[in-house]
Amino acid sequence: GAVVSQHPSWVICKSGTSVKIECRSLDFQATTMFWYRQFPKQSLMLMATSNEGSKATYEQGVEKDKFLINHASLTLSTLTVTSAHPEDSSFYICSARDPRQGYEQYFGPGTRLTVT
Amino acid sequence: DAKTTQPTSMDCAEGRAANLPCNHSTISGNEYVYWYRQIHSQGPQYIIHGLKNNETNEMASLIITEDRKSSTLILPHATLRDTAVYYCIVRDPYIFGTGTRLKVLA
Repeated sequence: GAVVSQHPSWVICKSGTSVKIECRSLDFQATTMFWYRQFPKQSLMLMATSNEGSKATYEQGVEKDKFLINHASLTLSTLTVTSAHPEDSSFYICSARDPRQGYEQYFGPGTRLTVT
Repeated sequence: DAKTTQPTSMDCAEGRAANLPCNHSTISGNEYVYWYRQIHSQGPQYIIHGLKNNETNEMASLIITEDRKSSTLILPHATLRDTAVYYCIVRDPYIFGTGTRLKVLA
């Protein structure tokens, strides 16, 4: 099946710094990727939809200037959390749609971000 | 609006079939039903999807009612490794509801 990777798997950063999370589709080209956030004991919340070569579409309530998304190639999307605060600590998960398979999404393993 | 309703939790004995229901009464005619599961601290894993017909793969079976307002995911012989949160999704892009926390008991 389609494989999606994320890097890093976990990261700790200090308040006020920025951190970048990478999402890669390893065996397919993904024209569309998605970013989710999941707080403890809660469900996944869609943050934004990322289309290769164009600006991301953010869900209501998600600050586009704080969560910068770049989808510069068909196999890579990045999420940069700028000026991180402790409340940004969460589990960030990306997914990618394999156009060969239809509309189902394949998820990465997630990145645990802790802001101190 | 998740558009789906699932029981919060279920238990199943190891080796028995696990039947997980999902209500999606407002589903549109062209919306698929997707099932994923999430084991603690991992990304969701794709299980199966369908539109109108029942579907089966190596992991599970999906039964969709004729009016498409509900579906049931069936794990034919549950194992301890099937313990996870199971999500039923009908919208694209995905909107995750609360899911069903399935616990398989030894």
